[in-house]
Amino acid sequence: GAGVSQSPSNKVTEKGKDVELRCDPISGHTALYWYRQSLGQGLEFLIYFQGNSAPDKSGLPSDRFSAERTGGSVSTLTIQRTQQEDSAVYLCASSLRKTPSDSYNEQFFGPGTRLTVL
Amino acid sequence: AQKVTQAQTEISVVEKEDVTLDCVYETRDTTYYLFWYKQPPSGELVFLIRRNSFDEQNEISGRYSWNFQKSTSSFNFTITASQVVDSAVYFCALSDHGGATNKLIFGTGTLLAVQP
Repeated sequence: GAGVSQSPSNKVTEKGKDVELRCDPISGHTALYWYRQSLGQGLEFLIYFQGNSAPDKSGLPSDRFSAERTGGSVSTLTIQRTQQEDSAVYLCASSLRKTPSDSYNEQFFGPGTRLTVL
Repeated sequence: AQKVTQAQTEISVVEKEDVTLDCVYETRDTTYYLFWYKQPPSGELVFLIRRNSFDEQNEISGRYSWNFQKSTSSFNFTITASQVVDSAVYFCALSDHGGATNKLIFGTGTLLAVQP
């Protein structure tokens, strides 16, 4: 079956521009996560969606970062006024987690979007 | 606070050697999950194993084995008879149980290079 897909696979932008990164989770997965992988910070959590709501945004590094999810499916991570330190690989993951009382469900990762800010 | 430490930044071995990747974690939770992921040069994170904090039995899967010791807060990963295809970055990760998000806290990764 189809896994998590992300687009674009690579994005080069100029400092100060806005970018949108897209994630298509596995069909039926209610939980969606964004992570960022950068040389200086390693792999870090950004935001978690359960359905269309985001109960945990604690990893978003600044107010230039925002994300939304529609129809309980596709998610978009938006970075406004990009800075060079935003350069990283942005990874999306999805899982079957439905309620906080569920036992752990596996997170399946997409291939990532490599963002380069010049 | 939750934290995962992978002290080995890079390891280089020759094919057929055994290699152990270390992982030490910190958490105040009494119930938690530990993971290992592999990230080959293609970049996609590949799930290898999940272990519940209540299950300290060691696990073996083919050439891979894992040693979980709560007493030392360690979850080490051993590859027996390494192969070139094992070359990748390996991440250890921690997640809470029953928390609101089950987000993963990753270590900084260990780059394993297996030379032919």
